[in-house]
Amino acid sequence: NAGVTQTPKFRILKIGQSMTLQCAQDMNHNYMYWYRQDPGMGLKLIYYSVGAGITDKGEVPNGYNVSRSTTEDFPLRLELAAPSQTSVYFCASSYEDKAYEQYFGPGTRLTVT
Amino acid sequence: ELKVEQNPLFLSMQEGKNYTIYCNYSTTSDRLYWYRQDPGKSLESLFVLLSNGAVKQEGRLMASLDTKARLSTLHITAAVHDLSATYFCAVDAPRHFGNEKLTFGTGTRLTIIP
Repeated sequence: NAGVTQTPKFRILKIGQSMTLQCAQDMNHNYMYWYRQDPGMGLKLIYYSVGAGITDKGEVPNGYNVSRSTTEDFPLRLELAAPSQTSVYFCASSYEDKAYEQYFGPGTRLTVT
Repeated sequence: ELKVEQNPLFLSMQEGKNYTIYCNYSTTSDRLYWYRQDPGKSLESLFVLLSNGAVKQEGRLMASLDTKARLSTLHITAAVHDLSATYFCAVDAPRHFGNEKLTFGTGTRLTIIP
C-alpha cells in the first residue's frame, strides 16, 4: 500500500491564484481530513469527510473547499489565495476498525506571495 | 469547545535522563493519540489509548491515559538523541455519529542533548 499520498510537495502561488491540493489513500478508509500547520504550531482541521459525498467544515474552513466523489480521493481547493494561507497542508485518513487512528500524508508546503 | 494543552512546549534533556510530557484536555473523551513529527516531515502515529488506565510502551516511550483527570502522559526513559522531535497529543471530539475528528495539542518540541 502507498498509504496516503499528496501532490504537489511544494507550490508557490501568487495572491489571487487558485489551486487544488490532491490527496489519495489506498487503504479503503472512509474518513479523510485536511489540516494546516503553520510554523511552530499544531494542526488545525480545515475540512473532513466521513465518506464519499459527505463533507463538513472543521475549525478553519474559510478560503477552502473540498469534494469527495470517491472513497480514495479528497482534493482541497484554494480559491483566491492569500498570504495567510501560506502553510503546510496535511491530508490524513482513518478507519473505525483501527480506532480512528489517523494516517498522514507527506504534506504540501504552500507559499502565497 | 474541546481544548487540548501540552506542557512543556519546549524541553531540552540530556541523554540518559527521564522526563514526562503532559497532555490535558477539557471535555470527556476516551480516545487519545500520540504522534511524533520530525522537522520538515509528516506525523507518525506512536500510541492509541482507548480507555481509562490504558498504558502502552514502545522502546523508551510509555504513554498512559487517565480519563477521569482528563490527562495523558508520555514518559521518556533514558533519552537518546534519536528521540529528538516534536510530540503531539490529540483527543477525539465528544463522540456523535459522523463526528470522528481530532483536536491536536500545540506540541512539545523535545531536544536531546548529548
